[in-house]
Amino acid sequence: EVQLLESGGGLVQWGGSLRLSCAASGFTFSNYAMNWVRQAPGKGLEWVSVISGSAGSTDYADSVKGRFILSRDISNNTLYLQMSSVRAEDTATYYCAKGVTRLPSSAFDIWGQGTMVTVSS
Amino acid sequence: AIRMTQSPSSLSASTGDRVTITCRASQGISSYLAWYQQKAGKAPKLLIYAASTLQSGVPSRLSGSGSGTDFTLTISCLQSEDFATYYCQQYHSSPWTFGQGTKVEIK
Repeated sequence: EVQLLESGGGLVQWGGSLRLSCAASGFTFSNYAMNWVRQAPGKGLEWVSVISGSAGSTDYADSVKGRFILSRDISNNTLYLQMSSVRAEDTATYYCAKGVTRLPSSAFDIWGQGTMVTVSS
Repeated sequence: AIRMTQSPSSLSASTGDRVTITCRASQGISSYLAWYQQKAGKAPKLLIYAASTLQSGVPSRLSGSGSGTDFTLTISCLQSEDFATYYCQQYHSSPWTFGQGTKVEIK
């Protein structure tokens, strides 16, 4: 069964750091683009970052560029999102999402259950 | 960034109704358009990609159409499990962007 399981969320102070993880199973991890999408409480969906399935190139939303770093460990089928200099507006549920293809420009066909990040002042 | 605008923002309908949600992109995105369904407290679920391709396991009463800037999601015969929030998303140009959502409620 294709599955994504996020972890690492929690309470973090304004300006602090946090690392989210997404453990993938049931598919060849390196063959697909992988994304992070977030949703602030009661709000809509916001794409955060993507890593391509082949070359592993990354891209970020302007709102997190320079503060978040996306990486992956192919040997452990795990995706990471290193969050730094967090702000109140980073408070959200963070979803890991698998791309339909290896290309960054893919729809997201498998989603994790989400992990909540709360930034406190 | 490409802006995605959905209409309506919410609608009330009855089981058995035909429901149409529209999504307009601020610039042409060819067919790089997906539709997702989200229920309260749950992760989104992919329904349709490439504007009109039904994801495996999604019932055929759902359909998508459009290209360029104007797209629609149609539910031909609304069922109880269809009451949820629906989002469109473009993946033509980074940053990938979502519509604001359409909440389908029980009349």
